[in-house]
Amino acid sequence: AQSVSQHNHHVILSEAASLELGCNYSYGGTVNLFWYVQYPGQHLQLLLKYFSGDPLVKGIKGFEAEFIKSKFSFNLRRPSVQWSDTAEYFCAVNGGNAGNNRKLIWGLGTSLAVNP
Amino acid sequence: GAGVSQSPRYKVAKRGQDVALRCDPISGHVSLFWYQQALGQGPEFLTYFQNEAQLDKSGLPSDRFFAERPEGSVSTLKIQRTQQEDSAVYLCASSSGTWDYYGYTFGSGTRLTVV
Repeated sequence: AQSVSQHNHHVILSEAASLELGCNYSYGGTVNLFWYVQYPGQHLQLLLKYFSGDPLVKGIKGFEAEFIKSKFSFNLRRPSVQWSDTAEYFCAVNGGNAGNNRKLIWGLGTSLAVNP
Repeated sequence: GAGVSQSPRYKVAKRGQDVALRCDPISGHVSLFWYQQALGQGPEFLTYFQNEAQLDKSGLPSDRFFAERPEGSVSTLKIQRTQQEDSAVYLCASSSGTWDYYGYTFGSGTRLTVV
């Protein structure tokens, strides 16, 4: 079955600490991978994505993620978090661009709280 | 518009009532998606349109759920005879093409509470 697993449901960090959020997926075939962020009171926003090529992708606000095909993982990292990074983070996968493969399969999300 | 607009933002329905949720995608966006997000969960796919064609409705949980996009722009998600398990945030997202490279733009959602 297609699924996405996010290892940490709640993370609390102090400012300047490093962040790594785990994401593993189960999906047959070619995948597109996404991280979305939802800041308090706001809508979901795309943080970064992987389609092909360099497995290390960089997104907005200094976030990056590494696609490791052999581990079916797409972990999100940020070297030094800020208070404004407090948000809900979602990992998602789909199977490419054909009509029936565009639906995103989502993880449960990770709630990140950064203390000033 | 500048973003995806959903209305109403909040809806309280009595069990058994029919509801209609509206999504106004970004002008010119070809693709439109509906997702359901229960409390503490990630979004779950409901259905997908490319222009007016509903290409995938595999996520609609029952025949009480119906979605349409008759002119390829505004979409309506209708839930008939609402049940308590329908309580969730309903998210709409749109994208400019038939390819996902730029991701989707999400609306703020409609929070449906069935009492």
